Amino acid sequence: DAKTTQPPSMDCAEGRAANLPCNHSTISGNEYVYWYRQIHSQGPQYIIHGLKNNETNEMASLIITEDRKSSTLILPHATLRDTAVYYCIVRVAGGNAGNMLTFGGGTRLMVKP
Amino acid sequence: GAVVSQHPSWVICKSGTSVKIECRSLDFQATTMFWYRQFPKQSLMLMATSNEGSKATYEQGVEKDKFLINHASLTLSTLTVTSAHPEDSSFYICSASGIKNEQFFGPGTRLTVL
Repeated sequence: DAKTTQPPSMDCAEGRAANLPCNHSTISGNEYVYWYRQIHSQGPQYIIHGLKNNETNEMASLIITEDRKSSTLILPHATLRDTAVYYCIVRVAGGNAGNMLTFGGGTRLMVKP
Repeated sequence: GAVVSQHPSWVICKSGTSVKIECRSLDFQATTMFWYRQFPKQSLMLMATSNEGSKATYEQGVEKDKFLINHASLTLSTLTVTSAHPEDSSFYICSASGIKNEQFFGPGTRLTVL
C-alpha cells in the first residue's frame, strides 16, 4: 500500500470547518483513499473513502486532487466530539478480503470551544 | 456500518497467566479478521490476519506461540495472550472484513499485566 503523510496535529474551533490534509504521492491507479478516525480509547471508526471523485456522506466530505497525489478530509461543522486522531490510508478495495489496513501516525485533531 | 464486539473491554491479570480476548461480528459473516495492538500515543500495529478455518498469518516480529489466534467460525475470532508479561500490556483491537472487503473495528480491549 502507498505511504501517506499527514500533519501530526491540528486545532479547529468548534462550529468551524476542519480541513485535514493527506499526501499520497505514490498512490497507484487501483488504490482508494480511506479515512478512519479513532477517539481516545476506542476502536477506529470508518469515515469515508474514494477513488478519484469527490465524495460526501453524513460525516464528512473527501476532496481528492486531480492527480490523486493528495486529498483533504473536510468536517463541515466540527464539534467537540470530533476530537480524535484521523488516519488517511491508501489501499486496494474489493477483491481479496485479506487486504489489511496500514495505519500511519495520523493527525490528532483538537476541536476547541 | 456493521457491528463488531470485543470481550472483555478491559482485563487485569497477573504476570505469567494467559488471557483470551474474543472478537465477534454481530450482523455479518467475517471471512477475515485482523488483530492490532496499540501502545500509548502510538498508532495501530497489525499483529496478524486470520481467515476462517485456516491458520493465522502473523506479521514480522509477532510471536505466534505467544499470541494464539483462532478463527473457528465466520463470526468469532479469539486472541489468547499466553504467559502474559507487563510488556504485553496494551490496547488490543480487532477488525472484521466481509465479502465487500470493508473493515469494521471492535471497541478494543485494554490489557494490563501486573
